Amino acid sequence: GQQLNQSPQSMFIQEGEDVSMNCTSSSIFNTWLWYKQDPGEGPVLLIALYKAGELTSNGRLTAQFGITRKDSFLNISASIPSDVGIYFCAGQRLNNDMRFGAGTRLTVKP
Amino acid sequence: ETGVTQTPRHLVMGMTNKKSLKCEQHLGHNAMYWYKQSAKKPLELMFVYNFKEQTENNSVPSRFSPECPNSSHLFLHLHTLQPEDSALYLCASSQNRDPGTEAFFGQGTRLTVV
Repeated sequence: GQQLNQSPQSMFIQEGEDVSMNCTSSSIFNTWLWYKQDPGEGPVLLIALYKAGELTSNGRLTAQFGITRKDSFLNISASIPSDVGIYFCAGQRLNNDMRFGAGTRLTVKP
Repeated sequence: ETGVTQTPRHLVMGMTNKKSLKCEQHLGHNAMYWYKQSAKKPLELMFVYNFKEQTENNSVPSRFSPECPNSSHLFLHLHTLQPEDSALYLCASSQNRDPGTEAFFGQGTRLTVV
């Protein structure tokens, strides 16, 4: 179906390290979104991507919309303790149908 | 603070209880959603309302009953739930259902069915 495969499932990194996570799908999506969820909170939108090949930055975060429209990645540079949380990718189709990945749980050690 | 408020934040209920979850948004959005979030699983879309009309029901059991009295409020009525229904229930809203419209989430209601 339209399942999104997000990897890795979890990451344990040292403060200051860079992080990379990605999502792949067998289906094409028209929009890719990346959300972060802090413990006890709902997901908050980090970056939205609207065009194949688009590379967008938001502070230390950079995300790209894959050329094939079937994948996206998110990079976090120079991680800090407050980057801890679960990161979700979401693919959105033209009919606004949105599918989520299972999430990447990030732990940052000071 | 995303502008989407859910109450209660936590709820414990027995399998024979009836309870309701509430979601409120003052963002002027016309579309509202209920999602279920279980541990280590993708968010599952349950219901979609657009301009107060239900437009999607993703094969959700009838023990979950949504209600949207106006564009700002969304309820999820719960009745005769099962322990496997324990999860974080998230409400979201978006300006409309146009392609690329961003969804804003509430903080969720952590539901435990005992």
